[in-house]
Amino acid sequence: GAVVSQHPSRVICKSGTSVKIECRSLDFQATTMFWYRQFPKQSLMLMATSNEGSKATYEQGVEKDKFLINHASLTLSTLTVTSAHPEDSSFYICSAKGENTGELFFGEGSRLTVL
Amino acid sequence: GNSVTQMEGPVTLSEEAFLTINCTYTATGYPSLFWYVQYPGEGLQLLLKATKADDKGSNKGFEATYRKETTSFHLEKGSVQVSDSAVYFCALTGAGGTSYGKLTFGQGTILTVHP
Repeated sequence: GAVVSQHPSRVICKSGTSVKIECRSLDFQATTMFWYRQFPKQSLMLMATSNEGSKATYEQGVEKDKFLINHASLTLSTLTVTSAHPEDSSFYICSAKGENTGELFFGEGSRLTVL
Repeated sequence: GNSVTQMEGPVTLSEEAFLTINCTYTATGYPSLFWYVQYPGEGLQLLLKATKADDKGSNKGFEATYRKETTSFHLEKGSVQVSDSAVYFCALTGAGGTSYGKLTFGQGTILTVHP
């Protein structure tokens, strides 16, 4: 089946620094990708919809200047957490929509810990 | 807006027991319904789905029927195995177009199966 890969799977950073997380569709093109955030023992919350070649669409309450999303190619979307703080520590998951079937494929997730 | 409510866990069963995880939803129109599974240390995987009322999704012995009259999509399995231990998420998305792919997740149910 289709594969979506996230990198890094784990990252630890100091407060105030920025962290970039990559989401790649390995064997298909994805004009649309989604970024979710999962808190411990809680559900996944949609943060934004990433569209190739255009600006991302953010969900209500998500700071677009803090969570920068770039979808520069049909196989890559990046999420940059800017000026990270401990409250940004979370599990971030991306998904990509398959162009032919519309099926959704999820990455393995990236665990961010901000010290 | 859309919402999904799952039965609270954790659920602990013995091998070969019958499993039911309740899921009810609130949505406008005719959403598509999904069950995703997250095994320990892995990303989300689609378990099954149903796209219209009375559809039954099935996979790996799991089943769920799209019940519009009760707005439910309960997950069932007749005989669970230790390898079914995971977190299960019920989710829905809009009927189509640009809304498809923006998943709304339930809170997840942890299932532990003992030998």
